[in-house]
Amino acid sequence: EAQVTQNPRYLITVTGKKLTVTCSQNMNHEYMSWYRQDPGLGLRQIYYSMNVEVTDKGDVPEGYKVSRKEKRNFPLILESPSPNQTSLYFCASSPLAGAAPAEKETQYFGPGTRLLVL
Amino acid sequence: ELKVEQNPLFLSMQEGKNYTIYCNYSTTSDRLYWYRQDPGKSLESLFVLLSNGAVKQEGRLMASLDTKARLSTLHITAAVHDLSATYFCAVPSHSGTYKYIFGTGTRLKVLA
Repeated sequence: EAQVTQNPRYLITVTGKKLTVTCSQNMNHEYMSWYRQDPGLGLRQIYYSMNVEVTDKGDVPEGYKVSRKEKRNFPLILESPSPNQTSLYFCASSPLAGAAPAEKETQYFGPGTRLLVL
Repeated sequence: ELKVEQNPLFLSMQEGKNYTIYCNYSTTSDRLYWYRQDPGKSLESLFVLLSNGAVKQEGRLMASLDTKARLSTLHITAAVHDLSATYFCAVPSHSGTYKYIFGTGTRLKVLA
């Protein structure tokens, strides 16, 4: 089954304790991205990657790191989490333009990771 | 700075009625995406609009894109309860980029 998986799904941590949220896709997509969703703010892009070793900042990258060492994986790293990073996080992947039929040129989202930083 | 505005933000409607959700954006983009999110769930893709004048339909939902007006509409025909969800539009921050800006969402509630 084509899917994007995230782990963990729920996480409670304390301020300053480094954590990593993993994201993996099995659709051979070049593009992967991380978003956070907060009430009243919609989804905001944190980082995205158009291929292995190619990453770029989204709208809200502060306090986050990413890496793309393999095509299928795109982990999100919080080196020193703070309470304002409490949020619902989504990973997504998609083919690049021209790499798939037009109707499939869309993002496929993982199930989400709910993070609480105390 | 690109802004993507959806309205209304909340919509409560009776089953069987028609309504339109609007997505306005402030940059030149020839691509726009609609997603649906059920409460407590992830987002799923509804429509991919890749050119001016594009129109896509799926069941009771129809989406269109007017790049000159920087406007997309999501029209709901004869609403049913199963359409209750939050709907998001998303636009690349500028043409050719993969940096996306999402609208804040329209929460739709269809009353039986």
